[in-house]
Amino acid sequence: DQQVKQNSPSLSVQEGRISILNCDYTNSMFDYFLWYKKYPAEGPTFLISISSIKDKNEDGRFTVFLNKSAKHLSLHIVPSQPGDSAVYFCAAIPSGGYNKLIFGAGTRLAVHP
Amino acid sequence: GAGVSQSPRYKVAKRGQDVALRCDPISGHVSLFWYQQALGQGPEFLTYFQNEAQLDKSGLPSDRFFAERPEGSVSTLKIQRTQQEDSAVYLCASSLAGDTQYFGPGTRLTVL
Repeated sequence: DQQVKQNSPSLSVQEGRISILNCDYTNSMFDYFLWYKKYPAEGPTFLISISSIKDKNEDGRFTVFLNKSAKHLSLHIVPSQPGDSAVYFCAAIPSGGYNKLIFGAGTRLAVHP
Repeated sequence: GAGVSQSPRYKVAKRGQDVALRCDPISGHVSLFWYQQALGQGPEFLTYFQNEAQLDKSGLPSDRFFAERPEGSVSTLKIQRTQQEDSAVYLCASSLAGDTQYFGPGTRLTVL
């Protein structure tokens, strides 16, 4: 049973516009949520995270929003650039323990000129 | 500085063959994780080490999978009698002390 779900396998956005990637989760006992970015033939790279006690975290062009009542988080990229084209994974860390990551299936973002 | 490295990058094995996948974490990183990523899926947790101690192996899919980290740095994931369903990318990640995990490029295993 998937605890972290990314229901959109792909997203296409024009350069300069906003990209919004979505993620839903089923377990209320997650402490942290993270977004990782992955280019082909490379490992995932950490992008941004948010604690379960916050509802927004911003880092440059990247903002993550957390809606605990809806068990939903989203990643906003503004403005989108062609170099942002990659697969984006949403991940969660269960409370307690040692930061084992539980990943969604990923969303492939394509930013075109 | 050097990131996490994994070798080999690609491995083709015949069904029934044993394989060994190596991970060199970032120097000084205490925590080491192994994940398995099937095609079109996100990475799935396999096992976790804190230094040389394997504290969680709940994600290992069968007793054919074995991991070790004898000196608390390099780790090896061994798969015995490989099956076709073992075909995946195997990712290793390390972290200093339970904070951000840094991933290696992965080993793509194909079992024929």
